[in-house]
Amino acid sequence: NAGVTQTPKFRILKIGQSMTLQCTQDMNHNYMYWYRQDPGMGLKLIYYSVGAGITDKGEVPNGYNVSRSTTEDFPLRLELAAPSQTSVYFCASTDRGTDTQYFGPGTRLTVL
Amino acid sequence: ILNVEQSPQSLHVQEGDSTNFTCSFPSSNFYALHWYRWETAKSPEALFVMTLNGDEKKKGRISATLNTKEGYSYLYIKGSQPEDSATYLCAFQTGANNLFFGTGTRLTVIP
Repeated sequence: NAGVTQTPKFRILKIGQSMTLQCTQDMNHNYMYWYRQDPGMGLKLIYYSVGAGITDKGEVPNGYNVSRSTTEDFPLRLELAAPSQTSVYFCASTDRGTDTQYFGPGTRLTVL
Repeated sequence: ILNVEQSPQSLHVQEGDSTNFTCSFPSSNFYALHWYRWETAKSPEALFVMTLNGDEKKKGRISATLNTKEGYSYLYIKGSQPEDSATYLCAFQTGANNLFFGTGTRLTVIP
């Protein structure tokens, strides 16, 4: 089982550029999440989805967009990258039977 | 925004020592408490999900307890080994989708 996969692993963006962070899970989980992790801070929830076609904002959604067209995929889009979005981004999915969250390996993004 | 506090922030112990750390969270709107182990350059790995007051969970040398009435959970590691070196995260869950993470306790086990 691949679990939760994320691409790319690293990316450097210029201010104002756009990009999509990809996230895929093969565990048939309905619930998926995007977090960012800044130095010295806990993981902060950006967006989450409870199933295909359903998404909602988390604690820090500004500057991001998501979509969920399939159960497997939950991409995160940055439209106009800003230095404040320099962070490590983690995608996760939840097994609702056990409430266990499974995390992807993360994407380290730097905006210069 | 809910406050989840973990202490200590970091900890160095000798191999073979037992240790414990604390996660404090609000005592209202409790749904679940999660513990994760997070090694450098890897992703968080779930250790325990605890839902009931008085819960005790164990996985090998690692165990955890939960007190939802007073809002704290303890994680214990018995006989620490160098491979236990990691950051231990807790997350307080208020509902199906709301997890609030602490900043973690960074454990270093010295051989």
